[in-house]
Amino acid sequence: DAGVIQSPRHEVTEMGQEVTLRCKPISGHDYLFWYRQTMMRGLELLIYFNNNVPIDDSGMPEDRFSAKMPNASFSTLKIQPSEPRDSAVYFCASSPDRGLGTGELFFGEGSRLTVL
Amino acid sequence: AQSVAQPEDQVKVAEGNPLTVKCTYSVSGNPYLFWYVQYPNRGLQFLLKYITGDNLVKGSYGFEAEFNKSQTSFHLKKPSALVSDSALYFCAVRDILTGGGNKLTFGTGTQLKVEL
Repeated sequence: DAGVIQSPRHEVTEMGQEVTLRCKPISGHDYLFWYRQTMMRGLELLIYFNNNVPIDDSGMPEDRFSAKMPNASFSTLKIQPSEPRDSAVYFCASSPDRGLGTGELFFGEGSRLTVL
Repeated sequence: AQSVAQPEDQVKVAEGNPLTVKCTYSVSGNPYLFWYVQYPNRGLQFLLKYITGDNLVKGSYGFEAEFNKSQTSFHLKKPSALVSDSALYFCAVRDILTGGGNKLTFGTGTQLKVEL
């Protein structure tokens, strides 16, 4: 299995531009998570999906952030408009949990976003 | 609410010596506990987990962790450290009974440095 695939690996953009990060989870996994990692705040859960349905988006910082999962093999995290404080590494993770709470997360390599 | 604390930002050990990375947790119900490792510019990788049963859990790369309910701790250990173990280690907790769902709450991470 190829693992969780994220793109782009690096993105440099200017303030005000739209940013779209993409994720392909591991086939058969029920859950998909978006995390953000910064030096100041560590790892923060932004949103997670179960069977393509958003379950908890309480970690999404502002209305500028949105996430979708149109099918079991694809998810996007969009920031519009982007701001310098959005600079971070964004991780996507999937889990074969089946609702038991015992499954570990499988992380992608991350998308490093720099907003100038 | 569920939370996890990693009291040490950094741990230094000499190669060949035993290592311990500390973690304490707080949950309302029963905890599911996890350790992950992150190498530079990579995503997090699962090391081991405690769900139920034996308090001593063995994981990847020779790591193990001991669940201590009375001390609400889940310290990561390895009998003999390697330079290649140098990385950022995260403890994480999931509390099913309070509706935490499948969300993992991560600690702030502990940087392990193994020196020759």
